[in-house]
Amino acid sequence: QSALTQPPSASGSPGQSVTISCTGTSRDVGGYNYVSWYQHHPGRAPKLLISEVSRRPSGVPDRFSGSKSGNTASLTVSGLQAEDEADYYCSSYAGSDRGVFGGGTKLTVL
Amino acid sequence: QVQLVQSGAEVKKPGASVKVSCKASGYTFTAYFMHWLRRAPGQGLEWMGWINPNSGATKYAQKFQGRVTMTRDTSISTAYVELSSLGFDDTAVYYCARGTTISPYDAFDIWGQGTMVTVSS
Repeated sequence: QSALTQPPSASGSPGQSVTISCTGTSRDVGGYNYVSWYQHHPGRAPKLLISEVSRRPSGVPDRFSGSKSGNTASLTVSGLQAEDEADYYCSSYAGSDRGVFGGGTKLTVL
Repeated sequence: QVQLVQSGAEVKKPGASVKVSCKASGYTFTAYFMHWLRRAPGQGLEWMGWINPNSGATKYAQKFQGRVTMTRDTSISTAYVELSSLGFDDTAVYYCARGTTISPYDAFDIWGQGTMVTVSS
C-alpha cells in the first residue's frame, strides 16, 4: 500500500485554527470510515486524537476535530496552544485487514 | 491502569534478528488486537502488522512479509515481534499499540513506550 499524503508542515499562531489534510484513494480513505489521527511528541508514545473519521476519545480536547470528504480526511486544531506543537499522522484501513499511515505533518505554533 | 510495557533497547548487527516484547496489563489481553509500528529517524510512523492474541492469527504489511513474525504468550499477557535479516534502515523506535476488539484495523488507543532498535556494524 502507498502511504497517505500529508503536507510535511503546517503552522499557526496561538489561538488560530489549523487544518491538516490526509489524501488517499478510494481503496483506503475514500472507501472506509476507519480514519484515525495521532499526535506524536518526539520521545513520547503517540496519542490517539480521532478515530473513525470524527470520533474523539474521552480526554481529548474538543479543539481537535476530524472530517472526511471523498478521498481526503482532515484534522482541524482550533485555538492553537504551544503544547500542540508536534507531529501529526493520519491512518486508514486499506482493505484485506491491512492499514496505512500518512507521512506525517510537523505542526509549528508560531 | 491500562498499559503496555515494552522491553529495552537493542543493538544488532546487520543480518541479525531482533525480538521485542510488549507486556499488557489492566485489561483482558486476549480481547484486543495488538499492532506493531515503527518510526525510523527522520521518517514517519509505519504500520508493520497485527496479531489476534486470542487466536494467534496475524496479518503483516506487505513490506515486512517474510521477514517479520508476531507471536504472543497469553499466560503472561505478552506480545512479541521478531524482525529478521536486519538492515541499517531497520534502525527505528518500535511500538506496540492496542487495537480494537472487533475490527482488525481501526484505531490504536494505548501505546507502549517504544523500544529503540539500532542496527550497527
